[in-house]
Amino acid sequence: AQTVTQSQPEMSVQEAETVTLSCTYDTSESNYYLFWYKQPPSRQMILVIRQEAYKQQNATENRFSVNFQKAAKSFSLKISDSQLGDTAMYFCAFILLYGGATNKLIFGTGTLLAVQP
Amino acid sequence: EAQVTQNPRYLITVTGKKLTVTCSQNMNHEYMSWYRQDPGLGLRQIYYSMNVEATDKGDVPEGYKVSRKEKRNFPLILESPSPNQTSLYFCASSMYHQETQYFGPGTRLLVL
Repeated sequence: AQTVTQSQPEMSVQEAETVTLSCTYDTSESNYYLFWYKQPPSRQMILVIRQEAYKQQNATENRFSVNFQKAAKSFSLKISDSQLGDTAMYFCAFILLYGGATNKLIFGTGTLLAVQP
Repeated sequence: EAQVTQNPRYLITVTGKKLTVTCSQNMNHEYMSWYRQDPGLGLRQIYYSMNVEATDKGDVPEGYKVSRKEKRNFPLILESPSPNQTSLYFCASSMYHQETQYFGPGTRLLVL
């Protein structure tokens, strides 16, 4: 079975500091994409960053970057220079490329991040 | 503006009263999905669609129906809602099955 584990239900960080959110996943497949989505209090699901598993280089998007360790099945998210607007629930997810065209994102249970002023 | 829209955003209903949550996307995406979000469980796929008139079950399809008569629309139907269907529902779309999914704003449903 494919699963995603986010072991930190809640985290807190001071404004302008750096925080890392953990994610591990389990699949026997080797071809997949990984995602981090952000869900602010508005409940909207917003894509933060995407990583193709065949790429060794870690993805970055402005203040957001990932540490992708394929052998360890780990996909952590680093947020630099944290801002108050980063306060949100963060979900880690992946989708198989060749597991049939199910279009199914497999989500973790989320990490609630609070950025303190 | 490229977007996925859902209606209604909030709905309170009673057990057994049929309801439909609409979903529409303007990006000409092939794939569309419905997810439900429950505390401590993350998001789980209910149904998905690969194209017009092509739908299939996700992980939690019991009690739900869908249809895809037009490419842009993918309504979720609860024919006899029950309290265990109280949840936050999201519609999502993507061009291909593995590509980034774009989510609607969510529909919060309370079944009494």
